[in-house]
Amino acid sequence: SQQGEEDPQALSIQEGENATMNCSYKTSINNLQWYRQNSGRGLVHLILIRSNEREKHSGRLRVTLDTSKKSSSLLITASRAADTASYFCATAAEGTYKYIFGTGTRLKVLA
Amino acid sequence: DTGVSQDPRHKITKRGQNVTFRCDPISEHNRLYWYRQTLGQGPEFLTYFQNEAQLEKSRLLSDRFSAERPKGSFSTLEIQRTEQGDSAMYLCASSLYGDEQYFGPGTRLTVT
Repeated sequence: SQQGEEDPQALSIQEGENATMNCSYKTSINNLQWYRQNSGRGLVHLILIRSNEREKHSGRLRVTLDTSKKSSSLLITASRAADTASYFCATAAEGTYKYIFGTGTRLKVLA
Repeated sequence: DTGVSQDPRHKITKRGQNVTFRCDPISEHNRLYWYRQTLGQGPEFLTYFQNEAQLEKSRLLSDRFSAERPKGSFSTLEIQRTEQGDSAMYLCASSLYGDEQYFGPGTRLTVT
């Protein structure tokens, strides 16, 4: 079964709006990572948040981590058409490097 | 371009044939991962190396799948006696000390 599950499965917003997607996981983790995948392309690492961190920023990205709820959220502010992609969270149980990816959130930003 | 390369990019094979894929990671990265991805799904973990040692292997990997990383540099993934269900994108990624992974472009396998 998937360690991470993203929610929603699909999201459609207008350019300039913010996009929020969530990830839930099942076990204690060392870190949680978010990746982006454009259609037909490889995955690109966006941001990593460690288990002892609660919030992290990178440009227009903001990630939060709640280890008590085993959940994370990714916020993309002021979205652009170029942000249209699938977004995945990835986690590995503590003590392993067996990264499990969720099924992803498909984001569509309309110009 | 992340610096991770995979070869070939596309492979069409007939059911029952063996195929081998190659991954060249970023040179200083000590960890290398193989994943499989089907349409509409996230990458599915297959196996992971730290240097030349294969440390973890998914139960999804049947006896028909084998991976090597001789000398801790490039890696190969071999699938023997391919089945139609093996059709997927095979992704390789590398990282330094287990943090952010850099993915290659993938090898798309089609089994006819």
